[in-house]
Amino acid sequence: AQSVAQPEDQVNVAEGNPLTVKCTYSVSGNPYLFWYVQYPNRGLQFLLKYITGDNLVKGSYGFEAEFNKSQTSFHLKKPSALVSDSALYFCAVRGAGGYQKVTFGIGTKLQVIP
Amino acid sequence: NAGVTQTPKFQVLKTGQSMTLQCAQDMNHEYMSWYRQDPGMGLRLIHYSVGAGITDQGEVPNGYNVSRSTTEDFPLRLLSAAPSQTSVYFCASSNLAGEEETQYFGPGTRLLVL
Repeated sequence: AQSVAQPEDQVNVAEGNPLTVKCTYSVSGNPYLFWYVQYPNRGLQFLLKYITGDNLVKGSYGFEAEFNKSQTSFHLKKPSALVSDSALYFCAVRGAGGYQKVTFGIGTKLQVIP
Repeated sequence: NAGVTQTPKFQVLKTGQSMTLQCAQDMNHEYMSWYRQDPGMGLRLIHYSVGAGITDQGEVPNGYNVSRSTTEDFPLRLLSAAPSQTSVYFCASSNLAGEEETQYFGPGTRLLVL
């Protein structure tokens, strides 16, 4: 069965500092990997995805993520955090090709401190 | 283009009552899914569909039914509500188009079962 692990319930970072939100996954075959963000009392919004190609993926709002096949990881990063980045972040995975369900992690709360 | 819409936004039920959460999308997406979000549990997949007439179970299907008679609609039925079904429910759709694949989420339905 496929799964996603987000080992940190919460990440605190000072405004202007780089941030990393960790994600590791398990899936049969090649993965499709996604990051979503949820602001309070809102639905999830797409940030970025890895389907194929370059291991470094750039997405919305200055976020990027690095796919590491050997470590089965897809960590979310941003060079300089903003207070407005404070939100709940979800990593998700599905197997490549065909019709396969998407599995989400439990989420990591990012708190950017002014 | 309304995206993914969900109704109602908020509902209170008594134990044993039944109800249907509505979900519709106007993007002609093949893949639709229902998730529930609970504190500390992240998003858990209830049911999903890869096209009209095709549905399958996710991680937590018990107590819920779905059907997909059209591409646009994917209602979720609670047969006999229980307090354990108190949660926020999100519907999502996707085009399963490889590099163009992105899940779009509705605004959610908050359900309280007394």
